[in-house]
Amino acid sequence: DGGITQSPKYLFRKEGQNVTLSCEQNLNHDAMYWYRQDPGQGLRLIYYSQIVNDFQKGDIAEGYSVSREKKESFPLTVTSAQKNPTAFYLCASSGRPREGTEAFFGQGTRLTVV
Amino acid sequence: AQSVTQLDSQVPVFEEAPVELRCNYSSSVSVYLFWYVQYPNQGLQLLLKYLSGSTLVESINGFEAEFNKSQTSFHLRKPSVHISDTAEYFCAVSSNAGGTSYGKLTFGQGTILTVHP
Repeated sequence: DGGITQSPKYLFRKEGQNVTLSCEQNLNHDAMYWYRQDPGQGLRLIYYSQIVNDFQKGDIAEGYSVSREKKESFPLTVTSAQKNPTAFYLCASSGRPREGTEAFFGQGTRLTVV
Repeated sequence: AQSVTQLDSQVPVFEEAPVELRCNYSSSVSVYLFWYVQYPNQGLQLLLKYLSGSTLVESINGFEAEFNKSQTSFHLRKPSVHISDTAEYFCAVSSNAGGTSYGKLTFGQGTILTVHP
């Protein structure tokens, strides 16, 4: 089945630790995205990448880092510099406009700082 | 820059009643418009989209949305809701200017639809 896989589904982090969220897609999409979801705030874009080895900051990139070494993978690291990391994180991908314009989403990772 | 405003954070409704979830957007360029649905602790699923052509678009489960360019709106409607429609609904826009902007979505704050028996 084609789709986007995020892991783990639940993640607990101690304050001061870095954690990495995994996102893998087998849709052959060029573009991948990370969003953060908080209650009542919708989804906010953290980082996005439209080609391997290139990525751009979104609206709330501070305290996060990404890499895009392979087309299929776009891991997100939540660093200790992120002041309020507890949230639901969603990864998405999309193809080029001629392939359709909607984004496909993974099932999310819920990160909790303990 | 683009922005999306969903005018209602929560909409309670009784089963089999009609519902409208309101969405307004602002953009300096032409846009594509989307409605996504999210069930608890899950990712987002595309409900319907407007790319071009007919301003009325429909989903397979009875929802429809109408693009109104003059009012910059894309309201979602269903004539008769079911208990299973209870979920959070997100309106989103992306630029259709091409280049490096494709697929990058700006979301509204979400509307929680609760269908009561």
